[in-house]
Amino acid sequence: DAKTTQPPSMDCAEGRAANLPCNHSTISGNEYVYWYRQIHSQGPQYIIHGLKNNETNEMASLIITEDRKSSTLILPHATLRDTAVYYCIATLYGGGATNKLIFGTGTLLAVQP
Amino acid sequence: GAVVSQHPSWVICKSGTSVKIECRSLDFQATTMFWYRQFPKQSLMLMATSNEGSKATYEQGVEKDKFLINHASLTLSTLTVTSAHPEDSSFYICSAREVRQPQHFGDGTRLSIL
Repeated sequence: DAKTTQPPSMDCAEGRAANLPCNHSTISGNEYVYWYRQIHSQGPQYIIHGLKNNETNEMASLIITEDRKSSTLILPHATLRDTAVYYCIATLYGGGATNKLIFGTGTLLAVQP
Repeated sequence: GAVVSQHPSWVICKSGTSVKIECRSLDFQATTMFWYRQFPKQSLMLMATSNEGSKATYEQGVEKDKFLINHASLTLSTLTVTSAHPEDSSFYICSAREVRQPQHFGDGTRLSIL
């Protein structure tokens, strides 16, 4: 699996968009980018994933650069409940163990009132 | 949809006892389940991967005789920490996925060994 690099922490004002960057310069052509978040003392929560096209769901948008070496997770209107550690993971998409997630240190997003 | 339930949510037991943690997929069939461990202020560490009906695959450094994993059905996997000692105290989290779907996680089990 490709290594990902994220800033250790970020602040965002409540109600503003939170843009979380992720660098995955060694990603291979068949690896997807997954985003999860972990609120304190809970299990991680799936947010979104994508291969090369931008993706949007009810939680967030994922913007992947054309060369696929980096991506940005966008929370359009951050709330206090979005305070969490956000993990960007690059991994193969498939059955069995090929989709195992290797967690890095993530980005601690602190949403400020 | 895609709910994963983990039980118990916390357990305290004496050193030397064995502890079983259950992980259930409530509304989907989990062809693959994963077990993670997380120490305070650290990230999740993958311990093992299990496919229904077959033996688990353990990550390097994880003792298979210490952490017994059973994935007997498409909705249930169990992790048994055998002869637990204080250094096994941690937050244990399972995840489950069905074919070609993202992993979904349980809320974790906080294990404290006295």
